[in-house]
Amino acid sequence: DTGVSQNPRHKITKRGQNVTFRCDPISEHNRLYWYRQTLGQGPEFLTYFQNEAQLEKSRLLSDRFSAERPKGSFSTLEIQRTEQGDSAMYLCASSLGGLTAISPLHFGNGTRLTVT
Amino acid sequence: DAKTTQPPSMDCAEGRAANLPCNHSTISGNEYVYWYRQIHSQGPQYIIHGLKNNETNEMASLIITEDRKSSTLILPHATLRDTAVYYCIVSQLSGSARQLTFGSGTQLTVLP
Repeated sequence: DTGVSQNPRHKITKRGQNVTFRCDPISEHNRLYWYRQTLGQGPEFLTYFQNEAQLEKSRLLSDRFSAERPKGSFSTLEIQRTEQGDSAMYLCASSLGGLTAISPLHFGNGTRLTVT
Repeated sequence: DAKTTQPPSMDCAEGRAANLPCNHSTISGNEYVYWYRQIHSQGPQYIIHGLKNNETNEMASLIITEDRKSSTLILPHATLRDTAVYYCIVSQLSGSARQLTFGSGTQLTVLP
């Protein structure tokens, strides 16, 4: 399977703990996106990388959230001091972007976070 | 990005065509119409996109009105596996980063 891979699929943590999620994009894709989705809502944009550079961050990305893509391949999303409001599905997507066009986003199946 | 309006839910009989409407009256000239769908417990799946001409691929057809203010996604022969939330998104396709802004979508239920 050469799609976007996310790990773990499910994570249950206690309030105040730190969690880290991993995303492995499609190998030739230079762009990587993180989204968050709560129940009954569409996905909401969090942040975006082109290669290893984080180029855009949503206001939803509080200072407890940090994302990295150190070698322009896989990415990690860390949430520090988790709160119950962080409970959501965290989705990763990748695409191939050039100077004049961007391929459609390809999404992984997400990591479902439950904060108790 | 322009805002889109979709009905919250629709039903379709298995084997029949599913026609999902989307209004995007504030679309600008350089914005494309994208359709994604999300099956329960999975990530969104790209279906099709277009600018002003009608488009067809192995999954669906996209019909965009001449004034580009609305579009229709057509699944020609719906199956039970097409039950999903369908999102219509309007966004620029350019070299700069453009994230997709999802609305609440249309829950399509294909009935046996």
